[in-house]
Amino acid sequence: AQTVTQSQPEMSVQEAETVTLSCTYDTSESDYYLFWYKQPPSRQMILVIRQEAYKQQNATENRFSVNFQKAAKSFSLKISDSQLGDAAMYFCAYRPDFGYALNFGKGTSLLVTP
Amino acid sequence: DGGITQSPKYLFRKEGQNVTLSCEQNLNHDAMYWYRQDPGQGLRLIYYSQIVNDFQKGDIAEGYSVSREKKESFPLTVTSAQKNPTAFYLCASSGQGGDQPQHFGDGTRLSIL
Repeated sequence: AQTVTQSQPEMSVQEAETVTLSCTYDTSESDYYLFWYKQPPSRQMILVIRQEAYKQQNATENRFSVNFQKAAKSFSLKISDSQLGDAAMYFCAYRPDFGYALNFGKGTSLLVTP
Repeated sequence: DGGITQSPKYLFRKEGQNVTLSCEQNLNHDAMYWYRQDPGQGLRLIYYSQIVNDFQKGDIAEGYSVSREKKESFPLTVTSAQKNPTAFYLCASSGQGGDQPQHFGDGTRLSIL
């Protein structure tokens, strides 16, 4: 079974600074997909960014980017120019190419301070 | 606008009672899912359905049941066999293929009376 590990239960960043959230995963598959979801206090799950394992180029979405290291099975999320609205729980998730359901990590709570 | 609607937002269950959580989507997605979220935990898969009239158990299916009679609907029943049902329940849907992201509803908070 695939497992997803987020080793940082909580992180803190000052407004306008950059923060990196860590995620590692365990799989024997070669083709899969990785996702970061954001869950603000409203508890709605919002897709932040996704990465296809067969793509070497790291995904970027505005202020959010990933550092995907396939050999190390690492998928970290970098948030640049942090904003107060970025405060939320962030979940890393893995999905095999043939599968449907997501395997989630336990999440990292991000606090953004003025 | 397309999306996923979960109802009710809050639900209370008495001992020995079955309750049903509703999930409806108008995104024309084939696949639908139910997740359970507990404090300090990630989301855990209860059931999923890839197509109408078919569904599979997830990691924590005991004490839950589902049906998929229509493409748009995937209700979850929390039975009296589920001894610790207090949690936040999220429904999601997606298109076919591993690259398709899952879209989530706003969730239902279930508590024991």
